Amino acid sequence: DSGVTQTPKHLITATGQRVTLRCSPRSGDLSVYWYQQSLDQGLQFLIQYYNGEERAKGNILERFSAQQFPDLHSELNLSSLELGDSALYFCASSDLRAEQFFGPGTRLTVL
Amino acid sequence: GIQVEQSPPDLILQEGANSTLRCNFSDSVNNLQWFHQNPWGQLINLFYIPSGTKQNGRLSATTVATERYSLLYISSSQTTDSGVYFCAVMYSGGGADGLTFGKGTHLIIQP
Repeated sequence: DSGVTQTPKHLITATGQRVTLRCSPRSGDLSVYWYQQSLDQGLQFLIQYYNGEERAKGNILERFSAQQFPDLHSELNLSSLELGDSALYFCASSDLRAEQFFGPGTRLTVL
Repeated sequence: GIQVEQSPPDLILQEGANSTLRCNFSDSVNNLQWFHQNPWGQLINLFYIPSGTKQNGRLSATTVATERYSLLYISSSQTTDSGVYFCAVMYSGGGADGLTFGKGTHLIIQP
């Protein structure tokens, strides 16, 4: 158990819908990262928050957004969903620029 | 951006065999991690090894940062070692702190 929790484990929705994925980091970690794993793109970095502020963006679509709350949990919002958004979404946490620990992931299926 | 190449892409071995997985990266890094993704999709931390050598039981890893490669050694393989092994790096030149992943080595250990 990495200490990072994610909910829900599975999510099935329809095209055009909006969903929210939730992540709680390990105790004491201020950095939260979101990653997407799909068959065609592999594992790719989406976005990072540090102590409530956006720190870096990776390959995140404009339809996707995230935030980190004062209690350090984070949410990833995915809107106007398309079939191609079906993927495993991971959250990771760390001290700044240190070893990252990954949650169990949320498997999103868009029908 | 930084490129990460893993080899071999696929590896099939008998139980008890030893193996070496390689990770080449294209630029200087200040973070390199090895992960095992199990059949349930969980990403399990194996090593945080931006440089040097570490050992943990039957697994060991070496990173030669000046030559931009890392090796993961698995000895006396067991069927539970099956899965995908990922190398991931963080570019040391600043900017995004997200990890860049290789495409992975898919390891199958046969009984």
